[in-house]
Amino acid sequence: GENVEQHPSTLSVQEGDSAVIKCTYSDSASNYFPWYKQELGKRPQLIIDIRSNVGEKKDQRIAVTLNKTAKHFSLHITETQPEDSAVYFCPSGSARQLTFGSGTQLTVLP
Amino acid sequence: DAGVTQSPTHLIKTRGQQVTLRCSPISGHKSVSWYQQVLGQGPQFIFQYYEKEERGRGNFPDRFSARQFPNYSSELNVNALLLGDSALYLCASSSPGSSYNSPLHFGNGTRLTVT
Repeated sequence: GENVEQHPSTLSVQEGDSAVIKCTYSDSASNYFPWYKQELGKRPQLIIDIRSNVGEKKDQRIAVTLNKTAKHFSLHITETQPEDSAVYFCPSGSARQLTFGSGTQLTVLP
Repeated sequence: DAGVTQSPTHLIKTRGQQVTLRCSPISGHKSVSWYQQVLGQGPQFIFQYYEKEERGRGNFPDRFSARQFPNYSSELNVNALLLGDSALYLCASSSPGSSYNSPLHFGNGTRLTVT
């Protein structure tokens, strides 16, 4: 089955700095790469996604890059704000069956 | 528009009992998936249903079962509960359901505690 590795497991940044979270996957057939944000006690929320035929996608302060050859994709958050503090997940696979990693706990320090 | 709704929000059961969790997808969504999230870990895939048929199953024992109704709502059943079944159970829906690239929208989950 699909194996997703995410790192770092915890990340602390100063407000206004950038944050980068990286994920690697094993199944070359994976074609859909969403990022979910989960605040404490709340449901996972989709923040951005990318298809396998696209290398990069941006949405305001958030961007995702995909390297299919190396089988890794990254989430970039610029100008971080305290409300960005949450656990971020990078599941892979297809929308029918997503395999979630262990998540990255991002803390934005004021 | 209402999002994915799940009931109940919290549930406490005793080992050996059975539990039924319910989910209503976003209007128009025909696919429903179930995930289990243990504290401190990412969600783990249990089932996916589309048009009332099981389309995917994760690595869970046969004590776990599910079904989807004609209105696309779904139930997850867990028999012979174990302490390790304590978790947040998340339901997610997607549209149009048959596409590999349809985003999953999660409900707020049902927090199950087995004592």
